[in-house]
Amino acid sequence: SQTIHQWPATLVQPVGSPLSLECTVEGTSNPNLYWYRQAAGRGLQLLFYSVGIGQISSEVPQNLSASRPQDRQFILSSKKLLLSDSGFYLCAWIPDLAGGMETQYFGPGTRLLVL
Amino acid sequence: DAKTTQPNSMESNEEEPVHLPCNHSTISGTDYIHWYRQLPSQGPEYVIHGLTSNVNNRMASLAIAEDRKSSTLILHRATLRDAAVYYCILRDVAGTASKLTFGTGTRLQVTL
Repeated sequence: SQTIHQWPATLVQPVGSPLSLECTVEGTSNPNLYWYRQAAGRGLQLLFYSVGIGQISSEVPQNLSASRPQDRQFILSSKKLLLSDSGFYLCAWIPDLAGGMETQYFGPGTRLLVL
Repeated sequence: DAKTTQPNSMESNEEEPVHLPCNHSTISGTDYIHWYRQLPSQGPEYVIHGLTSNVNNRMASLAIAEDRKSSTLILHRATLRDAAVYYCILRDVAGTASKLTFGTGTRLQVTL
């Protein structure tokens, strides 16, 4: 069966420090991968998505970046964190199938607090 | 993906049915209607999806209007564990599995 992992679960970082959040998926090949951010009490904001290794599409211009060094690994990074980067970061995947009926599966999330 | 409109919040008593509406007047013929829900401090989870016909599964039912411009998620007997934010999303069956955009959803409160 497929599983999705995210780490760390929680993180407290000072303003200006770097960030690296990791997401891995098991039990599937060539998934479409997504990073979302959810500010406190708000909806989900799509940050990046990837349809394959090295292929990253950015939805929101900001100081975050994403990389996909391996088929089932998706990394979210920042060189210098801002206070506004605080939030709940969610990784998700969809099977590599054309069509609108696929279910999207979400990881447990990383709660980031920038102080 | 086409836009959806949902009420910000709804309340229900436990053990009673809940009807969560979603308007999607700009839906295209190839859009699937998906529903997800997000429990507190968790990532969203899939609830149900459909294209034209009403759908039932162990979690809920999905009623789709004949013109497909609106749909309703039905929880037959709400429990306290159903308190969550419910998202209605459209997915294009013909497009690449690229972007998935979530709105603000409906926050469902369930009381005793």
